[in-house]
Amino acid sequence: ETGVTQSPTHLIKTRGQQVTLRCSSQSGHNTVSWYQQALGQGPQFIFQYYREEENGRGNFPPRFSGLQFPNYSSELNVNALELDDSALYLCASSRDPNNEQFFGPGTRLTVL
Amino acid sequence: AQSVTQPDIHITVSEGASLELRCNYSYGATPYLFWYVQSPGQGLQLLLKYFSGDTLVQGIKGFEAEFKRSQSSFNLRKPSVHWSDAAEYFCAGRLYSGGGADGLTFGKGTHLIIQP
Repeated sequence: ETGVTQSPTHLIKTRGQQVTLRCSSQSGHNTVSWYQQALGQGPQFIFQYYREEENGRGNFPPRFSGLQFPNYSSELNVNALELDDSALYLCASSRDPNNEQFFGPGTRLTVL
Repeated sequence: AQSVTQPDIHITVSEGASLELRCNYSYGATPYLFWYVQSPGQGLQLLLKYFSGDTLVQGIKGFEAEFKRSQSSFNLRKPSVHWSDAAEYFCAGRLYSGGGADGLTFGKGTHLIIQP
């Protein structure tokens, strides 16, 4: 059984640019959640997708958006990047919104 | 507001000694509770979870945690630590939701250092 995978591993962008991060969920999972983990902090919930619809959202501005595809993989898009967006972005999948979440290795985003 | 608090930022334990990492939660109802471990540059690995029922839960790698409603706590324990246990440990919680999801709320983490 393949676990949660994320791409790319690392990414460097400049302020004002846009970025797309990708996540493949674990087999049998239909729910994907995204988290932002700043250095030295715990992860913070960005949003969750369930059956291709946004199912819940944390306290992040609209320039953070996402998609979920029919195969339950997902994208996180961030527009107008700011320096504070530099963080590890974690994707987690689960069998449904109320089940335990399994995390991928993350994408390290650096905004210069 | 929902919150999860880990009071200890760093903990140093000698190899072979016992370990207890503290976690307190603040929710309107009993949440689902989790402990995750994160090694440097890695994602999060689930150690154990509490949904309901038996308040002492067993996890992987010899870890266990005890849910205490009266103290709003969910402390993680291990009887004898190994050097490979050195990592960042996160406590997390969320409420059961019939429809929409709030996602996990994480504590700020406890950095575990193992002394030889």
